[in-house]
Amino acid sequence: EDQVTQSPEALRLQEGESSSLNCSYTVSGLRGLFWYRQDPGKGPEFLFTLYSAGEEKEKERLKATLTKKESFLHITAPKPEDSATYLCAVRDNAGNMLTFGGGTRLMVKP
Amino acid sequence: EAGVAQSPRYKIIEKRQSVAFWCNPISGHATLYWYQQILGQGPKLLIQFQNNGVVDDSQLPKDRFSAERLKGVDSTLKIQPAKLEDSAVYLCASSLVGQRADTQYFGPGTRLTVL
Repeated sequence: EDQVTQSPEALRLQEGESSSLNCSYTVSGLRGLFWYRQDPGKGPEFLFTLYSAGEEKEKERLKATLTKKESFLHITAPKPEDSATYLCAVRDNAGNMLTFGGGTRLMVKP
Repeated sequence: EAGVAQSPRYKIIEKRQSVAFWCNPISGHATLYWYQQILGQGPKLLIQFQNNGVVDDSQLPKDRFSAERLKGVDSTLKIQPAKLEDSAVYLCASSLVGQRADTQYFGPGTRLTVL
């Protein structure tokens, strides 16, 4: 059974204070690891897909990296508008089901 | 491009009542998913359709939940009878079919409160 654990559960940062969110996973054959952003009252918004260890992707202040056991979402010089819950999910080679972690709630204060 | 549409956005019902949610996926997306997201948790897959056929419903509580996707486009998820523990946000997502065309795009969700 696929498992995804995200840490920390909540993170408070000052504007401009860079940090990283962790996603640890166990999966029988990784087909893809996904990062989503979820704002209160909205559905998850797709950010990145990573397919193999060593892969990196960037979007504005966000950078996602992948190893064989975990993924990191690095946030550089965050702004208050980056405040949201960040969800990590994995898909294995057996099917199309996404297994999500519990999310990291990020709060960036001005 | 229009995103995934869901309705209603909010629903409050008494336990043992029935409720139905509607989803219209992104145009051209053959695969449709229903997820349940309990407050403070990540989404959990309930059922997956490809066109109008069920691909995976292993986590759907079939004694009270049912879903259909007529004509391979819109879908309806029903709960009958509802229990207190069904209070959650019900998310619909859709994706293309293909080797790596597996990014799922989510709708805004329906927040269900069972009293």
